[in-house]
Amino acid sequence: EVQLLESGGGLAQPGGSLRLSCAASGFTFRYYAMSWVRQAPGRGLECVSAIAPSGATSFYADSVEGRFTISRDNSNNMLFLHMNNLRAEDTATYYCAKYDTSQITRPRDQWGQGTLVNVPS
Amino acid sequence: QSTLTQPASVSGSPGQTITISCTGTISDVGVYNYVSWYQHHPGKAPKLIIFDVSSRPSGVSSRFSGSKSGNTASLTISGLQAEDEADYYCNSYTKNSGTLDVFGSGTKVSVL
Repeated sequence: EVQLLESGGGLAQPGGSLRLSCAASGFTFRYYAMSWVRQAPGRGLECVSAIAPSGATSFYADSVEGRFTISRDNSNNMLFLHMNNLRAEDTATYYCAKYDTSQITRPRDQWGQGTLVNVPS
Repeated sequence: QSTLTQPASVSGSPGQTITISCTGTISDVGVYNYVSWYQHHPGKAPKLIIFDVSSRPSGVSSRFSGSKSGNTASLTISGLQAEDEADYYCNSYTKNSGTLDVFGSGTKVSVL
């Protein structure tokens, strides 16, 4: 059974940093592209970052470019999101999501339950 | 960020058929057949129920079906059941810069 377990969320001050982690199991992690998708309170979903299986290629939404860094540890089946210079508008539940192949144009077929990040204004 | 337009809410009685629309543009829904739909029960992990406009992942009920016409994709739920009460989001790959893909604004399905 595929499992994606996020951790690392919490309260952060504006301008502060957090590191989100996602522990993956139940599939061969190194073969699949991965992403972080967030949902702000009362709003829809937004993909903030995605990463290729090898980690060599990554994508960032304009809203987080230059502040967030996605990375992965294929040896330990872990996905990370390093968040710097946090803003109130980054307040959201952050989901770790697996693509169904190595391509980031494909659908996300498995998601975690999310971790909440709160940056008060 | 840009979002695809969905109705805020749709309701139906058990056994009925409902349809949720998802309207995009010629930069996303209208040009790509990479439309997916996700079911989200609050507090739980979102679940992929339709991909590539009309394909169903293994294990997803055949009561869920998808289609597309022009810039609008649709999700149809037939034989509505209490367990279908959830939020539904459409998603499409986009050629717009600055974002990888776009999600819909979300539709709350209520089973009366």
